[in-house]
Amino acid sequence: DIQMTQSPSTLSASVGDRVTITCRASQSISSWLAWYQQKPGKAPKLLIYKASSLQSGVPSRFSGSGSGTEFTLTISSLQPDDFATYYCQQYNSYSLITFGQGTRLEIK
Amino acid sequence: EVQLVESGGGLVQPGGSLRLSCAASGFTFSSYWMHWVRQAPGKGLVWVSRIDSDGSSTKYADSVKGRFTTSRDNAKNTLYLQMNSLRAEDTAVYYCARDNGVAKNDYWGQGTLVTVSS
Repeated sequence: DIQMTQSPSTLSASVGDRVTITCRASQSISSWLAWYQQKPGKAPKLLIYKASSLQSGVPSRFSGSGSGTEFTLTISSLQPDDFATYYCQQYNSYSLITFGQGTRLEIK
Repeated sequence: EVQLVESGGGLVQPGGSLRLSCAASGFTFSSYWMHWVRQAPGKGLVWVSRIDSDGSSTKYADSVKGRFTTSRDNAKNTLYLQMNSLRAEDTAVYYCARDNGVAKNDYWGQGTLVTVSS
């Protein structure tokens, strides 16, 4: 199985900050990586797919980069609505899809 | 508008069975692969299974292989998850999600809670 490791597990930031979350794969997944945002009691929401493609309707302050084993999600200027938990997901192998353990973004 | 609505969750004893349903609308259900993803209380997302568009191919996480079965009825626009030999560690909110290929899981249901406890 491909393991996905996110860092940090928790991130404290303020409105207007630029933040970056990292996701590392245990082996190369090319660009087959997605990022999701989840708020308490809600379903996950797709933000980024294929490492850097912005899902329709997602604000442009969200961006993704990387390939191979290292990926980042960047929020250029945090808004109050962005405080949530973020998950990366690899889908390189259609046999087993795996998620990172999540990064909780909290208000400083 | 794409909608996915799960149902069938509830309280079940260890060793018991439960069948979840996911009713799809707003898109051509028979054209899409579908997934089940679960989330234990306070924990992260865990992929459970996927099924291809005509139901001929399924894949499962090791933790549920041999106990869970994913199926679909394209005439009814419904996805199913049959869960047998349930364990306490299967307690979770179960989500169904559409597979949009490159864009992966672009739509999700609201989830249904399964609690395995005596």
